[in-house]
Amino acid sequence: AQSVSQHNHHVILSEAASLELGCNYSYGGTVNLFWYVQYPGQHLQLLLKYFSGDPLVKGIKGFEAEFIKSKFSFNLRKPSVQWSDTAEYFCAVIDLYGQNFVFGPGTRLSVLP
Amino acid sequence: GAVVSQHPSWVICKSGTSVKIECRSLDFQATTMFWYRQFPKQSLMLMATSNEGSKATYEQGVEKDKFLINHASLTLSTLTVTSAHPEDSSFYICSARPPEGDSYEQYFGPGTRLTVT
Repeated sequence: AQSVSQHNHHVILSEAASLELGCNYSYGGTVNLFWYVQYPGQHLQLLLKYFSGDPLVKGIKGFEAEFIKSKFSFNLRKPSVQWSDTAEYFCAVIDLYGQNFVFGPGTRLSVLP
Repeated sequence: GAVVSQHPSWVICKSGTSVKIECRSLDFQATTMFWYRQFPKQSLMLMATSNEGSKATYEQGVEKDKFLINHASLTLSTLTVTSAHPEDSSFYICSARPPEGDSYEQYFGPGTRLTVT
């Protein structure tokens, strides 16, 4: 079965620090990849997505992610985090046929002011 | 655009009763909607895929007779938790997928917190 792992359960950073959240998936075929964010008390929002083309994807709020097919990875990055980035971040993958949308366990990011 | 709503946002019910949760796509038609369950500090777990006009497809381990899903129109799917028990207390989230596009993106509702006493 397809699975998604996220390297860190909880990340604590100071404002202006750089961020990288790891995401790996286990599926050998073509996939679409997503990063979602869930701010406290709010619903899931799409940060960015990859389905083809340039493996470096830019999303909203200064986030970007790089798809490395050989490593089955889709890590999320931001050069300088803000307090308002405090949230839960979920990586998700879906296969080419639109089946099996699988979320990772999530990474909680706490940014200290 | 692409707004998904859920109603109610929060519900408390007594053990043994049934609760219905609605999921609506407000500005697009969704042939496919999804129901997820999220436990505290955990990820979303897909419960079922709801297709308009046909029976829902349930994930392994999800009781279809307990979690009744009806996708009656292109903008509405409902989840009914029948004979609820305290262990059914959770955060239920729906999502909807627009029919166009090739990235299988889903738009999520705000969730419904169910507490069974």
